[in-house]
Amino acid sequence: QKEVEQNSGPLSVPEGAIASLNCTYSDRGSQSFFWYRQYSGKSPELIMSIYSNGDKEDGRFTAQLNKASQYVSLLIRDSQPSDSATYLCAVMLNSGNTPLVFGKGTRLSVIA
Amino acid sequence: EAGVAQSPRYKIIEKRQSVAFWCNPISGHATLYWYQQILGQGPKLLIQFQNNGVVDDSQLPKDRFSAERLKGVDSTLKIQPAKLEDSAVYLCASSLSSLHEQYFGPGTRLTVT
Repeated sequence: QKEVEQNSGPLSVPEGAIASLNCTYSDRGSQSFFWYRQYSGKSPELIMSIYSNGDKEDGRFTAQLNKASQYVSLLIRDSQPSDSATYLCAVMLNSGNTPLVFGKGTRLSVIA
Repeated sequence: EAGVAQSPRYKIIEKRQSVAFWCNPISGHATLYWYQQILGQGPKLLIQFQNNGVVDDSQLPKDRFSAERLKGVDSTLKIQPAKLEDSAVYLCASSLSSLHEQYFGPGTRLTVT
């Protein structure tokens, strides 16, 4: 059973702080990792993908992957109230014919 | 570039009725997915198409759910008969291939009463 675990939150951070969102996965063969942002009542929006160990930065977002620890995280620098949303971690084996498995998401609240 | 289109956006039906959802993927995307998202959960894959062939439908409740993508472009998902537990948001997503990032449509919120 492939599982993706996230703390459901809510995670509250003050405006301007760094928000750190964490995700662990059970299948050691997983190769592709994604972070989606979902505003209340909206559909998931892709914000980051990462495939190899280490950090990947895109603007205020940094994804970090550690395959040995089966751990992926998302850092949001200079958090803004508009970042308040649920962040979904998604993991896939790289065969391409296996489903993308989503965590339940972490709700982030950025307090102005 | 136009995104994934879905209709209707909202649907309310009574249990045992039938309902159909439509999805048009991003142009050129060969892979199309239908997900079910229950409140407070992550999306769960129901079915994955590669062009007009089914790649994975292992989590599709086939006694009541069906889906097709006859011409390899748009797709329909049908539920017949609906149950109360089918109340959820049904999301369509597409990707260039099964190895690429998936992009979601706005979803259809289904309420079964």
